[in-house]
Amino acid sequence: GAGVSQSPSNKVTEKGKDVELRCDPISGHTALYWYRQSLGQGLEFLIYFQGNSAPDKSGLPSDRFSAERTGGSVSTLTIQRTQQEDSAVYLCASSLAAYEQYFGPGTRLTVT
Amino acid sequence: DQQVKQNSPSLSVQEGRISILNCDYTNSMFDYFLWYKKYPAEGPTFLISISSIKDKNEDGRFTVFLNKSAKHLSLHIVPSQPGDSAVYFCAAVDHNTDKLIFGTGTRLQVFP
Repeated sequence: GAGVSQSPSNKVTEKGKDVELRCDPISGHTALYWYRQSLGQGLEFLIYFQGNSAPDKSGLPSDRFSAERTGGSVSTLTIQRTQQEDSAVYLCASSLAAYEQYFGPGTRLTVT
Repeated sequence: DQQVKQNSPSLSVQEGRISILNCDYTNSMFDYFLWYKKYPAEGPTFLISISSIKDKNEDGRFTVFLNKSAKHLSLHIVPSQPGDSAVYFCAAVDHNTDKLIFGTGTRLQVFP
């Protein structure tokens, strides 16, 4: 069956530009999470969607970061006015509960 | 404040020997723990989990031990194989927020 997919797999952008990262979760999974992993760091929680509830945005590092989840399925993470410190691998995961989240392959973002 | 800690950033083990990866946590309310394995350029994949009602869970070559009084868990891999070389993340479920709290990871290298 199809797992979590993310696009693009790699993105190189210039400082100050906006980027959009996409996540297609596993069909039927009600929960969707975004994380990022910076070089040498662990998985940093960014935002969490659960069903129709208001998203938990407590992990977003600044107001340049936002995310949407349309129709309870596909999610887009948007970073405005990118900075070099935004360079990281952005991972999306989906699950039926917090247990056993299924991760996508990630998008490697490089801000030059 | 890091609630889940993996104090060893890397571990090198000879093929056939036992690999022991350690994880400590600070929140006594955590009651479910997971280990994820991550290969380069891939998302983390679920490996094994344990509930706080148990002190051991075994799945093939992988065993997770939980010491609640010490707030410590460990993952044992025996015998270690070169294909086990990856980054291993420990995670705890925060039931208040339905989020996984990840450690910073331990890079395991199994050499022939």
